[in-house]
Amino acid sequence: AQSVAQPEDQVNVAEGNPLTVKCTYSVSGNPYLFWYVQYPNRGLQFLLKYITGDNLVKGSYGFEAEFNKSQTSFHLKKPSALVSDSALYFCAVSPNTDKLIFGTGTRLQVFP
Amino acid sequence: EAGVAQSPRYKIIEKRQSVAFWCNPISGHATLYWYQQILGQGPKLLIQFQNNGVVDDSQLPKDRFSAERLKGVDSTLKIQPAKLEDSAVYLCASSLAGGPIYEQYFGPGTRLTVT
Repeated sequence: AQSVAQPEDQVNVAEGNPLTVKCTYSVSGNPYLFWYVQYPNRGLQFLLKYITGDNLVKGSYGFEAEFNKSQTSFHLKKPSALVSDSALYFCAVSPNTDKLIFGTGTRLQVFP
Repeated sequence: EAGVAQSPRYKIIEKRQSVAFWCNPISGHATLYWYQQILGQGPKLLIQFQNNGVVDDSQLPKDRFSAERLKGVDSTLKIQPAKLEDSAVYLCASSLAGGPIYEQYFGPGTRLTVT
């Protein structure tokens, strides 16, 4: 079965420190991988995607993600966290179709 | 450019009542999606339209849910009759075309509470 796992319900980090939000996937074939962010009372916003090519993908607001095929992971990273980064983050995979399969989400809390 | 619009933003109904949600996608976007997001879970695709045709409705509970996109622009999602387990946020998204290379843009959602 095709799926996405976000093993951490919540990640806490101090402002200015690096952050990592983990994502692993299970899909047949070559995956297309995405990160979305959801702020309170707002819809999901696209952050970045991996389609092919360079394993390190850069996205909006200083975020980046690294595709690791051997570990079937696509972890979201940022070198220096901001309080305003606090939100709910979703990893998603598209198994070579239009359909997006989302993980359960990870709440990022950045403390001043 | 204007984003994806949805209405209403909130709706409270009793079980067995009916409800309808409306979505207006970004102008020029051919593909429209409806997702259900239950509290504590990621969004789950209910139905996908390409213009006014259905591409995927495999996860739509067709005994109670229906959706249409008659003119290939606006879309309506209906639930009749509603059950308690339908309490969720219903998200509409649109993209320029189908396929994972095209980013999906999401609306703010409609929060449905069934009592």
